[in-house]
Order: sequence, then C-alpha cells, then structure tokens
Amino acid sequence: ETGVTQSPTHLIKTRGQQVTLRCSSQSGHNTVSWYQQALGQGPQFIFQYYREEENGRGNFPPRFSGLQFPNYSSELNVNALELDDSALYLCASRWDRYTDTQYFGPGTRLTVL
Amino acid sequence: DAKTTQPPSMDCAEGRAANLPCNHSTISGNEYVYWYRQIHSQGPQYIIHGLKNNETNEMASLIITEDRKSSTLILPHATLRDTAVYYCIVRGHFGNEKLTFGTGTRLTIIP
Repeated sequence: ETGVTQSPTHLIKTRGQQVTLRCSSQSGHNTVSWYQQALGQGPQFIFQYYREEENGRGNFPPRFSGLQFPNYSSELNVNALELDDSALYLCASRWDRYTDTQYFGPGTRLTVL
Repeated sequence: DAKTTQPPSMDCAEGRAANLPCNHSTISGNEYVYWYRQIHSQGPQYIIHGLKNNETNEMASLIITEDRKSSTLILPHATLRDTAVYYCIVRGHFGNEKLTFGTGTRLTIIP
C-alpha cells in the first residue's frame, strides 16, 4: 500500500469521447506524475505537476491535459479518445520534485472501443 | 536520460538469490541507478537506488560496478511474491526528472 489511490479502476469509452481520471496523492506529497502503460510495455511519462503547475511533459499531444488541486489531488483529462489510448494510466506522487522515491497508485485501466 | 539494457526474462528457484543485471554504459556522473518492480496489474513499486556505492535495504541489495556502466539487483532469498517485471532506470536527481522505463526483466520464481 502506497497511500496513492486512483479512480475509477476500470473504464470503457468509445473513440472521440473525453475521459477524466483521478488520483489522490499520499498525504504531504506536492508533486504528481502521470504515466501511460500500453500492454506489454513499460510506463511512459505523460507529465508532472508541482504545486498546481505543469513542470515537465513527455511526448504526448495537447489533448492530454491535467490539473493538480490545492489538496494535491490531481486529474488527467484526455480529449478526442483514440483506440491507441487504451492503456493502464498510472499516477505517482512524491514529497517534492527533488525527492527520489515516487509512489505509484494501482492505475486506471482505460479501454477505448 | 541514459539508456539501460536488461535481459527480457529470468527464472530463479524459490529461496535462492535472484541476481538481475542491468547495463547502462552511457550513464553520466550525476545520474542515479533506480530499480522498480511491477507485479501483474499493479503500479510499479520502488525497490532501491544508488549513485556509485553499493546499497542495501530491507528489500534488496544494489551492486554498481566501479566504472558505473553496469549494476546488479540482488534479491537475497527470492519468494513466489517476487515474481514481477523489474525495471532498471537511470535518471538525474533534480528538478522535473522523469522516470524513463524500458521493457524490464520478467523474473519468474520457480517453486
């Protein structure tokens, strides 16, 4: 148990729809990162938020966006869903952006039909 | 981030030491070696990290070669619950440094 929770656990959407995934960080953690993990692959970095501002982004298009709230919970929003967006979406939190250890949540499994 | 190379799969007998190798020949002086593991359908779990000295914690030991171009993660007494995909990651230690995962090593513990 890492103290990081994600909701929902599973989700099915159709192509073109929009989706919002949620993450609740471990208490006191002010930095959250989101990752996408396709089947059989390692997680790929989407972006990171530090104190409610994005401060790092991977190779993902602008239709992937996020928010971090004052209580350090966060959201990942994906617009105009594509079939290739089907994946496990992971969030990871840590004490601050300089801390080494990231604590991952269990993930949300998104299926796009 | 420096690239890492790991064998795609390994087997280890239960109760024996599991030694997982990782090559990171392009590692730079300020980059750390991290190990995470991912048990099926769960989020990755932090195991250990190090810069140049060998490290040990309650989960594992990390042996880094003197030239820092390779390392070995050691699980001293493997159990069935250690069956997982193990990722070796090299990253800097400041700012917005992300974790760059490869495909890892699938370790299977044999009863």
